[in-house]
Amino acid sequence: AQKITQTQPGMFVQEKEAVTLDCTYDTSDQSYGLFWYKQPSSGEMIFLIYQGSYDEQNATEGRYSLNFQKARKSANLVISASQLGDSAMYFCAMTGAGSYQLTFGKGTKLSVIP
Amino acid sequence: NAGVTQTPKFQVLKTGQSMTLQCAQDMNHEYMSWYRQDPGMGLRLIHYSVGAGITDQGEVPNGYNVSRSTTEDFPLRLLSAAPSQTSVYFCASSYSGHYNSPLHFGNGTRLTVT
Repeated sequence: AQKITQTQPGMFVQEKEAVTLDCTYDTSDQSYGLFWYKQPSSGEMIFLIYQGSYDEQNATEGRYSLNFQKARKSANLVISASQLGDSAMYFCAMTGAGSYQLTFGKGTKLSVIP
Repeated sequence: NAGVTQTPKFQVLKTGQSMTLQCAQDMNHEYMSWYRQDPGMGLRLIHYSVGAGITDQGEVPNGYNVSRSTTEDFPLRLLSAAPSQTSVYFCASSYSGHYNSPLHFGNGTRLTVT
């Protein structure tokens, strides 16, 4: 079984600053994937970034990067140069080898302040 | 490409009514799934399919049926709606469903059961 913990229910960040959203996970699988999704107020779920458990380098996608610390079982999302459009709910999720279920955290609501 | 298309966007049902939520994808993905999103609960897996003719239960399958007669379509049937099924429903697909295959979500269906 997998478990995802997001300890920050809500966060504020000034426009143009960087922000880190925390995610810790628990799994007994050796092979697993970690994902971050963005859910704006309009409701859709947008895939942002993926990190595989065997990837040695942290994943990056434009202004998003995933700070993967395997020994600490953490997969924090870093958003650089925040924009007003980044205001949304952010979900960390994972799945393990042999599992077809994506396990989600409860999410962090990010608010970007002009 | 349209990606994952869900219909309808909104639906109100009376207790005991049945209905089908439609989901179609045009990415030739083998894996398709249904999640429900409830406040404070995150997203939970209802049913999934790893290919045409193959379906399996997720975390919260009771009260729902699925079938997968084609690669493209994966409808979700509510047999006898209950107020506890008031939720936002997401259909999602991925290339394989494996841990290194990100899920792509539809825009969701907001269902209210009175």
